[in-house]
Amino acid sequence: NAGVTQTPKFQVLKTGQSMTLQCAQDMNHNSMYWYRQDPGMGLRLIYYSASEGTTDKGEVPNGYNVSRLNKREFSLRLESAAPSQTSVYFCASTQGTGNSQPQHFGDGTRLSIL
Amino acid sequence: GQQVMQIPQYQHVQEGEDFTTYCNSSTTLSNIQWYKQRPGGHPVFLIQLVKSGEVKKQKRLTFQFGEAKKNSSLHITATQTTDVGTYFCAGPKSGGYNKLIFGAGTRLAVHP
Repeated sequence: NAGVTQTPKFQVLKTGQSMTLQCAQDMNHNSMYWYRQDPGMGLRLIYYSASEGTTDKGEVPNGYNVSRLNKREFSLRLESAAPSQTSVYFCASTQGTGNSQPQHFGDGTRLSIL
Repeated sequence: GQQVMQIPQYQHVQEGEDFTTYCNSSTTLSNIQWYKQRPGGHPVFLIQLVKSGEVKKQKRLTFQFGEAKKNSSLHITATQTTDVGTYFCAGPKSGGYNKLIFGAGTRLAVHP
């Protein structure tokens, strides 16, 4: 009963390096989300995927790309990491797209860009 | 743009004292959700309020949704050290697809 699994849990990158954050859910949920969390700013939506095969931008998409590989997996890619992308990244999922469903979060990836 | 604001940002209490956090939206919300995040952890869904003036209780936690559906509060009676964490409110963001806009959160510290 894993729920939402994120890998890696921690990562340190140098400016300009690229990496992909992985997220998988085993709840047969249709919608998936990527957030970043910075001190004092709550959670901000980067990208979301309403259903398999679709992705769309959230409020802070610049510098990121996503792939909805299949119904279970939704990855976030940093093509050229910048210090401003140092943050904690959370993946979440919901059963559907209606505005009344709780979001289930993974444990997060703590990313530092030097 | 649409905003959700929470106050206070931080509060520390002695164990046994009460605690309240307030959430205010710039727009009318169809519903509001509350999440708790323990230090070093991830947000965990607590509850959703839908109706104007709705009040829901979970043991020592009382959640209210304002009559105008633009504000909400979470009250904890007789705090315990297990209540430590950050409490977030979140409302639906315009555009659908269950996108949420989160408040910045209220961090609660409880001293034994």
